[in-house]
Amino acid sequence: DQQVKQNSPSLSVQEGRISILNCDYTNSMFDYFLWYKKYPAEGPTFLISISSIKDKNEDGRFTVFLNKSAKHLSLHIVPSQPGDSAVYFCAASGGYGGSQGNLIFGKGTKLSVKP
Amino acid sequence: NAGVTQTPKFQVLKTGQSMTLQCAQDMNHNSMYWYRQDPGMGLRLIYYSASEGTTDKGEVPNGYNVSRLNKREFSLRLESAAPSQTSVYFCASRTYIAGNTIYFGEGSWLTVV
Repeated sequence: DQQVKQNSPSLSVQEGRISILNCDYTNSMFDYFLWYKKYPAEGPTFLISISSIKDKNEDGRFTVFLNKSAKHLSLHIVPSQPGDSAVYFCAASGGYGGSQGNLIFGKGTKLSVKP
Repeated sequence: NAGVTQTPKFQVLKTGQSMTLQCAQDMNHNSMYWYRQDPGMGLRLIYYSASEGTTDKGEVPNGYNVSRLNKREFSLRLESAAPSQTSVYFCASRTYIAGNTIYFGEGSWLTVV
């Protein structure tokens, strides 16, 4: 039973346009959400996060939106650049202690930004 | 600052062989993790160590053992490798002070033939 779902395995966007990556979750106990970016042959790197007490967090070209009622979050990249081409993983956790503090990852979305 | 370091980066094993993946972090993090990544499956947690001296099973622990040697090091052992364990393995670490962000190593590519 997938608790974190990324229903789009891939996304192709033109350079300069907006990329929107989506993520849905089922566990209402999740209170912290993260996005990781992964290039081939490298480890995932942290991109941006959001706490459940917020509905938006922005960092440069990257903005994460959280809709708790819909159990949905999205990552917006504006403007998209060819260097953004990577696999993006959504992750969630509930609390800091014990197993509920562990991150649960989605299956990832491969973003391709075309020049 | 090396962060999270994993060795080896590449390994080919024969079915039934054993091996240990080593991981060390220099960020003084309390918690350490081993994930595996398979095509179309995302990152799945194998084992974790919330703090030095403790280890717990994650989502896919079968066929693996771990050792939290000290605060810096967390190893993953395959006692009798199987083709189903062909995967990319990532070690990660985290400190609660920094919230729930975990930091990954560069990965270890393991092929079992």
